[in-house]
Amino acid sequence: AQKVTQAQTEISVVEKEDVTLDCVYETRDTTYYLFWYKQPPSGELVFLIRRNSFDEQNEISGRYSWNFQKSTSSFNFTITASQVVDSAVYFCALLSGNTGKLIFGQGTTLQVKP
Amino acid sequence: SQTIHQWPATLVQPVGSPLSLECTVEGTSNPNLYWYRQAAGRGLQLLFYSVGIGQISSEVPQNLSASRPQDRQFILSSKKLLLSDSGFYLCAWKAQGATMNTEAFFGQGTRLTVV
Repeated sequence: AQKVTQAQTEISVVEKEDVTLDCVYETRDTTYYLFWYKQPPSGELVFLIRRNSFDEQNEISGRYSWNFQKSTSSFNFTITASQVVDSAVYFCALLSGNTGKLIFGQGTTLQVKP
Repeated sequence: SQTIHQWPATLVQPVGSPLSLECTVEGTSNPNLYWYRQAAGRGLQLLFYSVGIGQISSEVPQNLSASRPQDRQFILSSKKLLLSDSGFYLCAWKAQGATMNTEAFFGQGTRLTVV
């Protein structure tokens, strides 16, 4: 069975603080894909990053970085020097390479205060 | 380029009325298609997904059904709406096969209020 757990429901930080959003997944597939999406108050889903199960390289994009560790089934997302514009709901997602089923975690609401 | 159309953007329907939400994709073929629901302040719940015409996987037994009458058309329906069907409905598509290592693309969503 597939499952994505984002244990942090809400996080509140002050601008310029670093913040890490946790994502733990479960799957029996050997081929799978992981994603992070951002949902601002307007409601649309904005794609941030994808990783396939064979690529454990961590990635940095500006103030964003991602840490994929298969040994702990985690795909965590860090925002460095957070800004008010980072305030949104962030979703981690898992795609089965076998069935095409794409599921999301419950989301983490990040509030960055000035 | 690929685009996804989902309509209407907002909908207010009385309890017991039928529902039909349509989603179409352009610029690609044989996509995976998905319907999600997001209740207020909650996560994205997968309702249905389809990997081909006429192939529908239902994730949550409920008052809704889905159909895929054409390759790039995905319809979400209900015969009689319940108050609990209120929420934000999102349609998404994703490439299959050799191009699977890509993200899913989402429509703008339909905000459904059942009164």
